[in-house]
Amino acid sequence: QVKLLQSGAALVKPGASVKMSCKASGYTFTDYWVSWVKQSHGKSLEWIGEIYPNSGATNFNEKFKGKATLTVDKSTSTAYMELSRLTSEDSAIYYCTRDVTTVVPYFDYWGQGVMVTVSS
Amino acid sequence: DTVLTQSPALAVSLGQRVTISCRASKSVSTYMHWYQQKSGQQPKLLIYSASNLESGVPSRFSGSGSGTDFTLTIDPVEADDIANYYCQQSNELPYTFGAGTKLELK
Repeated sequence: QVKLLQSGAALVKPGASVKMSCKASGYTFTDYWVSWVKQSHGKSLEWIGEIYPNSGATNFNEKFKGKATLTVDKSTSTAYMELSRLTSEDSAIYYCTRDVTTVVPYFDYWGQGVMVTVSS
Repeated sequence: DTVLTQSPALAVSLGQRVTISCRASKSVSTYMHWYQQKSGQQPKLLIYSASNLESGVPSRFSGSGSGTDFTLTIDPVEADDIANYYCQQSNELPYTFGAGTKLELK
């Protein structure tokens, strides 16, 4: 069965960076885009961007350009997101998703989420 | 960006029929999807492309709409359905979500 297993919670200092992982299993990793979604405490969902593992192509929400870097390791079926120059506004839960794009893009599987806390 | 507007909360009785609405700031055709999020869990896909039930989702969930106005219907509501519900459009980048509708028990 399809699973997206994300790395553990992170406590990071303001101004630092954090890199999180999303290990996919149960499907062909290179056939599906992977998106990343932010959920601030008690708030809604924001799409950060997506990456196509087969080619490394990416699309970003303009709001997160310069903040998020997306990469993949095809050999381990793992997607990564690095967030830089962290502030308190970056404290949130971050989800990775598998994107179905056969006709209309949507997110059919979600990881369990990574809680990032930015605090000195 | 396409803004999606949802009612913040709805109070329902078990066994009742409930409709959750989502209005888009511009037409998204049928590129609208619905997710359920229970407390402490990741979102779960319920409906894709406005009206298609995701595999494994109970048939009491249904979706309709096109253009700018969409609805998610739960009939009948069960205790397990108490959660937050989000609409999401993929007609254009960036993909955007509604603010969510919290389904509460009366």
